Amino acid sequence: QKEVEQNSGPLSVPEGAIASLNCTYSDRGSQSFFWYRQYSGKSPELIMFIYSNGDKEDGRFTAQLNKASQYVSLLIRDSQPSDSATYLCAVVRSGGYQKVTFGIGTKLQVIP
Amino acid sequence: DAGITQSPRHKVTETGTPVTLRCHQTENHRYMYWYRQDPGHGLRLIHYSYGVKDTDKGEVSDGYSVSRSKTEDFLLTLESATSSQTSVYFCAISESELSYEQYFGPGTRLTVT
Repeated sequence: QKEVEQNSGPLSVPEGAIASLNCTYSDRGSQSFFWYRQYSGKSPELIMFIYSNGDKEDGRFTAQLNKASQYVSLLIRDSQPSDSATYLCAVVRSGGYQKVTFGIGTKLQVIP
Repeated sequence: DAGITQSPRHKVTETGTPVTLRCHQTENHRYMYWYRQDPGHGLRLIHYSYGVKDTDKGEVSDGYSVSRSKTEDFLLTLESATSSQTSVYFCAISESELSYEQYFGPGTRLTVT
């Protein structure tokens, strides 16, 4: 079992729809969770982080964390073609310095 | 954008040659990281630094070494490049031990022939 799992996609959604991206993790002691967006040929860009169970909203983005079920998700409302990118989930595991593990990323395609 | 630059941005080298990649930051952040990104594997940590001359290994450190003699510079060296080290290399920085938010440089595409 991978430490951080994501479906590589592509996930295709029509413009204006809600895109739902999911990530599961194996270490129950994981503390912090991040979503990065990566456009093709570019570097990852931090868009959201969440530390506590529940929802965290920032504009069109909502991060959801459920530690009991060990999953974190990212919802993108009113999806735009400019949201088309690969979304990386990152998890800080327990156990010391900088134990950050990235998932392989989910490719999102927003269809105009 | 965080002030992070990487050099070179592209490099083609031959098997067996040494290669050094440079990461330079202007943010005065304490933590610096080197990752490689390969299809199907995502980002994998090679080495990281938690201060000048303080470095430690990540999950894929074999064949790589690092040095940090100044806060702003973090060097990654491939002592003897192999084709399996063909990859895109990203440098990242973060501000403090309590903040795991990382900011990435533009990347270096390395091809080992």
